[in-house]
Parts: sequence; structure tokens; C-alpha cells
Amino acid sequence: KNQVEQSPQSLIILEGKNCTLQCNYTVSPFSNLRWYKQDTGRGPVSLTIMTFSENTKSNGRYTATLDADTKQSSLHITASQLSDSASYICVVSARTSGTYKYIFGTGTRLKVLA
Amino acid sequence: NAGVMQNPRHLVRRRGQEARLRCSPMKGHSHVYWYRQLPEEGLKFMVYLQKENIIDESGMPKERFSAEFPKEGPSILRIQQVVRGDSAAYFCASSERDSNSYEQYFGPGTRLTVT
Repeated sequence: KNQVEQSPQSLIILEGKNCTLQCNYTVSPFSNLRWYKQDTGRGPVSLTIMTFSENTKSNGRYTATLDADTKQSSLHITASQLSDSASYICVVSARTSGTYKYIFGTGTRLKVLA
Repeated sequence: NAGVMQNPRHLVRRRGQEARLRCSPMKGHSHVYWYRQLPEEGLKFMVYLQKENIIDESGMPKERFSAEFPKEGPSILRIQQVVRGDSAAYFCASSERDSNSYEQYFGPGTRLTVT
């Protein structure tokens, strides 16, 4: 069964600190992995997209890693800011029957405190 | 270039009524995806449409739910005879192509409350 699991469920950190969010997946056949940021009451916004051959990708203070062998990904946030408070969602896509299926994790809720 | 637009942003319906959710994709995008997000849960794929065609509706409940994306106008997600369990946030996303490297852009969502 295609599944995406994220940990932790929620996280509280102080402004300026770093944090790492985890994503494990059992999706086949793997196509790509995306991290999204979803602010409360809004739609998700893409942070990174990684294909099978990519190990790491950065977008400003966000750095995503992918280990396709162990089927794990992480999102590292450096020097957190109050505006980083949001849900972070890992999405894995699989190409089946000519179209892409997108399997969403339940997200990690990050709260950054001053 | 305006982003993906959804309306209404909030919709309240009584049990048994119909709900119509609209999604206008980004300019130049002909692929639309609908997702449902129940409270405290992740987004779940419902349906994928191109202009005038349903490509994949494997995530749609078999009854009461339908979707269309006409040649002109927005994509519509229709829920007939709503029940309390339909209360959720419904997001649509659009992309230029259904491809590995093409981004999906999400709208702000429609929050449906069934009373």
C-alpha cells in the first residue's frame, strides 16, 4: 500500500534554532518527492521537488534530502523565523497507468516561538 | 498572472443540500486536481481533469460527488445531498502539464461546513 509517514507530528522550537522534519514512504513506482509548506487556512506552497537521482535540494533556508534506497527524506530548516510556523507536508508521486498519483503525508506542525 | 482561485472560500450547507465548489486554474494551465482535507488529516486526492475530460477519478466517492472542467469557465466540484461527513477543506491545484517536473499550484481552498 502506498503510504507517506511524517514525524514528528508537531514540533515547537525557538526562533533562530534549526530543525529537521522526517518523511518515510512506501510508494512504488517512485516518481518524485515534494515538500510543501501550508500556512493555516491556506493552500500548500511548494518548497522543493526531488527526483530519484537527486540527494539534496535547497530553497533558501530550507534544505531537503532524499535517500531513495531507504525511502527516506528530510527537510532541514536553518535559523528558523516566526513566519516558518506552518504545516510541512511531504508528498510522493508514483506514475501508474499513464498518470501520476500524489500521496500526501499528514504533515508536521511546526511552531516557532519568539 | 493571478494564482489559482477558488470560490466560495467558505460554504455552509444543511444536510441534503447541494454544494458547488469552483476552481479557476492559473492562466495557461489545463490540468486541474481536486483534493479533500479532513480535520487533522492529510490531503487526499479526489479527481484529475483536463479540459472537458476526467482523467482519473479514483479518489472520488462513487455516489453524490461529481466534477467537471468545461471548455470555458472554471472547474466545478459538485456534492449532492451533503452529509456531515462531507465537512472538510477542498483544495484544487492546477498545472501546465501532468509531468514529473511540472509544479502543482494550489488554491486557497473552500471550507465546507455541513450543519
